[in-house]
Amino acid sequence: GEQVEQLPSILRVQERSSASINCTYENSASNYFPWYKQEPGENPKLIIDIRSNMERKQIQGLIVLLDKKAKRFSLHITDTQPADSAMYFCAASSDTNTGKLTFGDGTVLTVKP
Amino acid sequence: EAAVTQSPRSKVAVTGGKVTLSCHQTNNHDYMYWYRQDTGHGLRLIHYSYVADSTEKGDIPDGYKASRPSQENFSLILELASLSQTAVYFCASSVGQKDTQYFGPGTRLLVL
Repeated sequence: GEQVEQLPSILRVQERSSASINCTYENSASNYFPWYKQEPGENPKLIIDIRSNMERKQIQGLIVLLDKKAKRFSLHITDTQPADSAMYFCAASSDTNTGKLTFGDGTVLTVKP
Repeated sequence: EAAVTQSPRSKVAVTGGKVTLSCHQTNNHDYMYWYRQDTGHGLRLIHYSYVADSTEKGDIPDGYKASRPSQENFSLILELASLSQTAVYFCASSVGQKDTQYFGPGTRLLVL
């Protein structure tokens, strides 16, 4: 199987600063790493993902980095806004695990005005 | 955006009772999933399916059954509900294994 550890569990930042969330995984065969954002009382929504053939991906103010050697990937939110406050989940999947996603436990991000 | 609906949105069940959670998608997706989310934690996969009339065990299948009678519908069945099954249950669908999963709004289940 796969185990995904996500840190920190709680993150508070000032508006317009950066926020970083880190995840590590165990299965070296994992090759797909999505990030989901979940607002209170809502369903999770995909915000960005990266596959193992890439080391970096950026969509507007979201940057994902993947270090396959260290089995680590991270989400960086630049120029944070209060609307970025939410729970964020990382996940990993591998073909050897029938492509099932294994999620981290989540990070509660609060962006203070 | 892809449409995944769940019913009921919330339910109170008694210990030992049978509970059926339903999920419907109109995306023409092959893959459907059932996850549970406990307060303050991530999502854990219970069952999934990649074709009608077939289901697969996820990471925590014990105490749950699943049914995929058609491409659009995927049900989660708790034959004998237990207190430990109190959680929020999310259904999701995707085109393929490594594609975006679209989640439904969730079902909040309280077992008393």
